[in-house]
Amino acid sequence: AQSVSQHNHHVILSEAASLELGCNYSYGGTVNLFWYVQYPGQHLQLLLKYFSGDPLVKGIKGFEAEFIKSKFSFNLRKPSVQWSDTAEYFCAVIPVSGGYNKLIFGAGTRLAVHP
Amino acid sequence: DTEVTQTPKHLVMGMTNKKSLKCEQHMGHRAMYWYKQKAKKPPELMFVYSYEKLSINESVPSRFSPECPNSSLLNLHLHALQPEDSALYLCASSQVDGRVYNEQFFGPGTRLTVL
Repeated sequence: AQSVSQHNHHVILSEAASLELGCNYSYGGTVNLFWYVQYPGQHLQLLLKYFSGDPLVKGIKGFEAEFIKSKFSFNLRKPSVQWSDTAEYFCAVIPVSGGYNKLIFGAGTRLAVHP
Repeated sequence: DTEVTQTPKHLVMGMTNKKSLKCEQHMGHRAMYWYKQKAKKPPELMFVYSYEKLSINESVPSRFSPECPNSSLLNLHLHALQPEDSALYLCASSQVDGRVYNEQFFGPGTRLTVL
């Protein structure tokens, strides 16, 4: 069965630290990849997406992610985090073949940024 | 307009009540979704409508009954719920290009409490 793994369930950083959140998926075919963010008390928002082309994608609020097909990975990065980045981050994948393609979420990573 | 709206924001109901959750989008999306999200967990897919037809039911109990009156509206009718059904109910929508479902836009959710 298809699955998405997020390696870090809880990350605590100080402001200005660099961030990398890991995401790996299990599916042998073509996928569309997403990172969603859920700020406290707010709804899920799309941070960035990858469908095809340049594997390094830039999203909102200074986030970027790199798709490495050989590693089935789509890690999220930000060079310098801010207190306002405190949120839950979800990696998600849609297989692009074989009938209806369900959006498969990882378990999420809770990021806390301290001033 | 890139917004998915949901009403009500909060709902408290008894186990014998009948209530409905409503979702609306005006982005011209032809796929709409209901998700259930428990605290500190990723969203769990419940139903998918594609071109106003129910295409996926993730084995959801019949006390949840979805309805898609038109391409902009999605309802979730609730009857005889259990306390364990208390959760945040999210609606989402997406474009459909052939068999490819693109990124989903999420509403703010309805926080449901079943007493």
